[in-house]
Amino acid sequence: SQKIEQNSEALNIQEGKTATLTCNYTNYSPAYLQWYRQDPGRGPVFLLLIRENEKEKRKERLKVTFDTTLKQSLFHITASQPADSATYLCARSGAGSYQLTFGKGTKLSVIP
Amino acid sequence: NAGVTQTPKFRVLKTGQSMTLLCAQDMNHEYMYWYRQDPGMGLRLIHYSVGEGTTAKGEVPDGYNVSRLKKQNFLLGLESAAPSQTSVYFCAGGQGSTEAFFGQGTRLTVV
Repeated sequence: SQKIEQNSEALNIQEGKTATLTCNYTNYSPAYLQWYRQDPGRGPVFLLLIRENEKEKRKERLKVTFDTTLKQSLFHITASQPADSATYLCARSGAGSYQLTFGKGTKLSVIP
Repeated sequence: NAGVTQTPKFRVLKTGQSMTLLCAQDMNHEYMYWYRQDPGMGLRLIHYSVGEGTTAKGEVPDGYNVSRLKKQNFLLGLESAAPSQTSVYFCAGGQGSTEAFFGQGTRLTVV
C-alpha cells in the first residue's frame, strides 16, 4: 500500500523562527503531495500542492519541497507566529491512485 | 456557494442502530471522499468516488456502505452501528489532481 508518514507528532517552536515539518512516503512517488492545516474541531484546509516534477513551491511565508530521491517533502513556515499553531497534514495523490491518503499530522505550537 | 456541507453535525446512536451521513457539494467536484478521524490515527479513508455512480473502498471500509447516485451527493451508511465506529467523520470533494475541500465534520458517538 502507498503510505505517507509524518514522524513528528508535535513540534514546539519560538515565535519568529522557521518551522520545518517532514513528510515521508513509501513505494513509488506520488504525482502530487499536498499540505493542509487543521484547527481543533474543524475540517482540514488546503495550503499548498507540489507536483512530482517540481522541486519547490512557495506561497507567502510557506514553502514546500519535494525530494524524490529521499522520498520526502518538507514544509516550512518562516517568521512563525502564534496564529500558525495548528495541526499540519501531508497527503499524497495521483500516479495511478485515485485515493487521497493522509499522514497522521504534526501538531505545531508557536510559543510567543 | 456553500462548498461541502455535512449533515448532521452531531449524532448519538445506540449499538445496532443504522444511520446515513449526507455530504453535499456545490463545487462540481468529480471526486468525493469519506474519512474518519480518531486520536492518534489521523484521517483514514473509508470509501471514495471518482464520479457519479461510482464508489470504491478505501483503507477502512468494513461496516460502512456508500452511494453516489447524484454527482453532488455522497452518502455514508452505517447499517448496524458499533462502539468502534465512534469517531469524527469528514467528507471532502476535489478533482483528484488538485486540492480537496472538506466539510465541517460529523461527530458520531455510538453507545
